Amino acid sequence: QVQLVESGGGVVQPGTSLRLSCAASGFTFGSHGMHWVRQTPGKGLEWVAVIWYDGSNKYYADSVKGRFTISRDNSKNTLYLQMNSLRADDTAVYYCARDPKPTTIRWWFDPWGQGTLVTVSS
Amino acid sequence: DIQMTQSPSSLSASVGDRVTITCRASQSISNYLNWYQQKPGKAPKVLIYGASSLQSGVPSRFSGSGSGTDFTLTISSLQPEDFATYYCQQSYSTLVTFGQGTKVEIK
Repeated sequence: QVQLVESGGGVVQPGTSLRLSCAASGFTFGSHGMHWVRQTPGKGLEWVAVIWYDGSNKYYADSVKGRFTISRDNSKNTLYLQMNSLRADDTAVYYCARDPKPTTIRWWFDPWGQGTLVTVSS
Repeated sequence: DIQMTQSPSSLSASVGDRVTITCRASQSISNYLNWYQQKPGKAPKVLIYGASSLQSGVPSRFSGSGSGTDFTLTISSLQPEDFATYYCQQSYSTLVTFGQGTKVEIK
């Protein structure tokens, strides 16, 4: 079955970096666009970034542009999110999610991983 | 950004009730509207995409309707496993946005 498993979350200090990973299985990873979405109790669900199935295009939310980088390794069926210059308001559960249709971006999400918690605190 | 506003923010209902949740977009989004269900401690799960298309495996008691700016998610007969938080999400703009959520609680 389709499965997405995030890892790499933790507690970090403001201004530092963290890299999240999302291991995919059960589908042809290299055919699907992939997203990162985060969730906080205060701001709810917030889309973070997308990468095309072949890595040719990437888009970011304004709130993370210039600080976060999405990437993928199709040979390893793995999605990444490099987060630099972390701030307290980046504290959230981070989910990876598949764009459901192959070779195109439909901007909705199915399925989602179980999430990994990132806490930015001094 | 396109703002998505859900109403109500929460509701109490009984098993067997018909439940309707509304989502309004700040501008027309055609039918680029998706609905998700989230249970505590779990990731969201898509129920409806394209405003009215039922995702595979989702029970037929869930339905979606609407276009333009006003959309509705209906649960025809609420089941115990449906108590959860529901979110709408617009996919019209590349700046994807979600509603704030509607929590469906047991009366």
